[in-house]
Amino acid sequence: AQSVSQHNHHVILSEAASLELGCNYSYGGTVNLFWYVQYPGQHLQLLLKYFSGDPLVKGIKGFEAEFIKSKFSFNLRKPSVQWSDTAEYFCAVRGSGNTGKLIFGQGTTLQVKP
Amino acid sequence: EPEVTQTPSHQVTQMGQEVILRCVPISNHLYFYWYRQILGQKVEFLVSFYNNEISEKSEIFDDQFSVERPDGSNFTLKIRSTKLEDSAMYFCASSGGLTIPYTFGSGTRLTVV
Repeated sequence: AQSVSQHNHHVILSEAASLELGCNYSYGGTVNLFWYVQYPGQHLQLLLKYFSGDPLVKGIKGFEAEFIKSKFSFNLRKPSVQWSDTAEYFCAVRGSGNTGKLIFGQGTTLQVKP
Repeated sequence: EPEVTQTPSHQVTQMGQEVILRCVPISNHLYFYWYRQILGQKVEFLVSFYNNEISEKSEIFDDQFSVERPDGSNFTLKIRSTKLEDSAMYFCASSGGLTIPYTFGSGTRLTVV
């Protein structure tokens, strides 16, 4: 069965620090990969996605992620975080089947201190 | 930007009662989903809906759950007899195609007491 694992449950950073959130998935076939963000009190918003092509994908708000097929990983990065990046971040995979179902990781809570 | 709208934002219900969670997906979308997130846990898939029928459901989506698209605009999730463990945030999502990312609603927090 497909699964997604996010290694960091709670990350605390100071502003301007660099961010890397880990995500690994288990699925051997073709996958679509996503990072979603949920700001406090708001809905899940798409940060970025990978379907095919360049494994380094850029998303909104300065975020990027690298798909490494050999490691089954899709880590999220940002060179310099801001206080406004405080949120919960979810990695998700859409793989087998034709229903579009997403499998989510456990989520990582990012707290950025001003 | 088009939005997926969910109502109510928060519902409190007594155990054993029926609840209906409502969603208005984006108007030209074809694929509809319900997910839930129990506090402190991951977002879990409940059900997908396409062409007026369920296309996939998880093991969570037992006989107590049902979905409906009664009028071509609303997409509802009904829980017939709520249990304490149904307390969660329920998210609706819609998509225009299988390769198009979802748009999520802001969620309904269901509290069963």
